[in-house]
Amino acid sequence: DADVTQTPRNRITKTGKRIMLECSQTKGHDRMYWYRQDPGLGLQLIYYSFDVKDINKGEISDGYSVSRQAQAKFSLSLESAIPNQTALYFCATSDSRTSVSTDTQYFGPGTRLTVL
Amino acid sequence: RKEVEQDPGPFNVPEGATVAFNCTYSNSASQSFFWYRQDCRKEPKLLMSVYSSGNEDGRFTAQLNRASQYISLLIRDSKLSDSATYLCVVKRLSDMRFGAGTRLTVKP
Repeated sequence: DADVTQTPRNRITKTGKRIMLECSQTKGHDRMYWYRQDPGLGLQLIYYSFDVKDINKGEISDGYSVSRQAQAKFSLSLESAIPNQTALYFCATSDSRTSVSTDTQYFGPGTRLTVL
Repeated sequence: RKEVEQDPGPFNVPEGATVAFNCTYSNSASQSFFWYRQDCRKEPKLLMSVYSSGNEDGRFTAQLNRASQYISLLIRDSKLSDSATYLCVVKRLSDMRFGAGTRLTVKP
């Protein structure tokens, strides 16, 4: 079984709809992240969480919200989806106990979201 | 200006070729550096960390030049399976910044 899972894997929705993307991990990591990836732009950080009570905005948090329901679960919500939120969304985890130079993020398989 | 810049490619090379990718970063306070590999429509995966003294992992060699704020990745004896997009990643504290990636296609 995958260590980092995302649901749904694909979603098509309409402008104005609320949508939630979910991420679960079995790696026991304390840190979790949400990114979006657009062609030619690389991954951009939306939100990150260092533990259950810690939520931080990333580079592009406008239009998004998150919830860290448990150490293993981190969900991303689009309250009112718009077409320019069409992208590939990745969840990632990391372990704060690793050293800075070897700190690795482990990514989920991604959710392809299309907003019509 | 993007914080991490990479040549997007694509690089099309024959099997067995040596290919080099470059990456520049703008934040001089960056602390750690990585190369990730991303296959088409898949998640990024760590290829290797990049250390100040340079490091090698099999056919892959990474170099860091802090003075020039420049990172490189050299792939020797390219294989078909090396075809992917290579992401340069720069980290300061908890803030990880990704380049847009360089696409490599290795052809028979």
